[in-house]
Amino acid sequence: KAGVTQTPRYLIKTRGQQVTLSCSPISGHRSVSWYQQTPGQGLQFLFEYFSETQRNKGNFPGRFSGRQFSNSRSEMNVSTLELGDSALYLCASSLADSRALHFGNGTRLTVT
Amino acid sequence: KNEVEQSPQNLTAQEGEFITINCSYSVGISALHWLQQHPGGGIVSLFMLSSGKKKHGRLIATINIQEKHSSLHITASHPRDSAVYICAVRVGNEKLTFGTGTRLTIIP
Repeated sequence: KAGVTQTPRYLIKTRGQQVTLSCSPISGHRSVSWYQQTPGQGLQFLFEYFSETQRNKGNFPGRFSGRQFSNSRSEMNVSTLELGDSALYLCASSLADSRALHFGNGTRLTVT
Repeated sequence: KNEVEQSPQNLTAQEGEFITINCSYSVGISALHWLQQHPGGGIVSLFMLSSGKKKHGRLIATINIQEKHSSLHITASHPRDSAVYICAVRVGNEKLTFGTGTRLTIIP
């Protein structure tokens, strides 16, 4: 069974640009969540989706948005990029919110 | 103040030693996760607990709901166990909140 796939693995953008990251969950998993990891703040929750509905949202500005499609694939978008958005963005999927998480390898975003 | 506190922040031990990493949280939770992150970023979910104790190979995780405390134990530690171990809690259906992690180094 294929694991959680995140694309791209690496991304370099300049300030003010926008970026879209993609996450394909394990087949059959309907819950997808997104996390930001930085050296200073550690792991922080961004969003959680279940069957195309956003269940929870973390304390991030409105520049961070996401969505989930009918096939459970998810995307997150960051607009008007700032230097502080440089981070590892991780996606995880699970059968439901009460089940174990399966993480992708992440997308490392560098904003210059 | 982080709602999830881990200790120690850093731990260095000799191969074969018994390892304990602790996690304390401040509110009632529906689930607690132990995660392992190796250099390079990949995160593996080790355990998800809501009560009692779970064991997988040389890893054991326990949780005491009344004391709001969980421990992760590694028996017969090995250099390949060197990683950052992260505790995360979920309150009801709310978002996961993460601890700051414990960096474990096992010396051969």
